[in-house]
Amino acid sequence: GAVVSQHPSWVICKSGTSVKIECRSLDFQATTMFWYRQFPKQSLMLMATSNEGSKATYEQGVEKDKFLINHASLTLSTLTVTSAHPEDSSFYICSAPSGGVTGELFFGEGSRLTVL
Amino acid sequence: GENVEQHPSTLSVQEGDSAVIKCTYSDSASNYFPWYKQELGKRPQLIIDIRSNVGEKKDQRIAVTLNKTAKHFSLHITETQPEDSAVYFCAASPYSSASKIIFGSGTRLSIRP
Repeated sequence: GAVVSQHPSWVICKSGTSVKIECRSLDFQATTMFWYRQFPKQSLMLMATSNEGSKATYEQGVEKDKFLINHASLTLSTLTVTSAHPEDSSFYICSAPSGGVTGELFFGEGSRLTVL
Repeated sequence: GENVEQHPSTLSVQEGDSAVIKCTYSDSASNYFPWYKQELGKRPQLIIDIRSNVGEKKDQRIAVTLNKTAKHFSLHITETQPEDSAVYFCAASPYSSASKIIFGSGTRLSIRP
């Protein structure tokens, strides 16, 4: 099946700094990617839809100026958490649709962010 | 937008027994319903999915049923094994090649030896 790779798998940063997470589709092109956030023992909450070559679409309640998304190529989307605070500590997971008739989403490994 | 509700939040069954997880959705336009299994700290893994033109689908010990009229769908795991212990998420999507998927709240399944 298709492979989505996410980096870094975990990161610790100081409050007020910015952190960039990369999501790559390794063997297929993804015009769309989805970014989810998962707090401990909770579900995956959709944050935004990343669109190659255009602005991302953010879900209600997600601050677009805080969570910057860039989808500059057909295989790479990045999520930058700006001015991170402890409450931003979470598991961030990207995904890309297979693009075929199945509708299946392929998930990255996830990135665990801890803000001190 | 779509809202997916899932229950129970936790489920404990004896090894060998069956487990059933139920979900409801709100958007009648949804027509793709995947189920994911997630182990601690790992990415969700698709275990089975169903589309609105099918009422039931089975894959070995796992089956999913869909009642589109009632907007209900369920996951059935038979002959449960210790390795089935994980968190299970239902999801719904108005499928197209790039449709977002909305997840239910999750069910933590524990298999008692």
